[in-house]
Amino acid sequence: DADVTQTPRNRITKTGKRIMLECSQTKGHDRMYWYRQDPGLGLRLIYYSFDVKDINKGEISDGYSVSRQAQAKFSLSLESAIPNQTALYFCATSGTGTGSVEQYFGPGTRLTVT
Amino acid sequence: SQQGEEDPQALSIQEGENATMNCSYKTSINNLQWYRQNSGRGLVHLILIRSNEREKHSGRLRVTLDTSKKSSSLLITASRAADTASYFCATGDNAGNMLTFGGGTRLMVKP
Repeated sequence: DADVTQTPRNRITKTGKRIMLECSQTKGHDRMYWYRQDPGLGLRLIYYSFDVKDINKGEISDGYSVSRQAQAKFSLSLESAIPNQTALYFCATSGTGTGSVEQYFGPGTRLTVT
Repeated sequence: SQQGEEDPQALSIQEGENATMNCSYKTSINNLQWYRQNSGRGLVHLILIRSNEREKHSGRLRVTLDTSKKSSSLLITASRAADTASYFCATGDNAGNMLTFGGGTRLMVKP
């Protein structure tokens, strides 16, 4: 079984709808991240959480919110989806350590907002 | 904004040739990491090099880091068709635990 799972894998929604993307991990990591990737571009950080009670905004948090329900679960919500939020969304986890450690990524959710 | 910028943006080579990708960054770092992404899939960690290291090897991968020039290179030797993917560098900040990704290099290895 995959260590980091994301649901749904694909989603088409309409402008103005609320949508939630879910992420679960079995790696026992405290740290979790949400990124978005636009075609031909790298990843940009939306939100991150270093433990259940810690939530931080990333580079592009406007229009998004998150919930850390448990150590293993980190959800991303689009309160009112808009077409320019069409992208590939990735969840990632990492352990604790000195400096940045490697991150483990889920398979991604392809979101289309029409 | 992206901390790392990869060069070239796209690279096409024949199987068996070596592939070299470069990454430049702007601010001081704790480490630099390289990731691979197969089309539309999640990123997979390849190798991490710390700021006090100059070169690191892992199988057919060789990574160099020049902190004076704020640059890194990833060399894949004896490339295979299965190496076809996008490769991203990511820099780790000194405060710890945040990565900033570059735009990636799309590598195509022709059989």
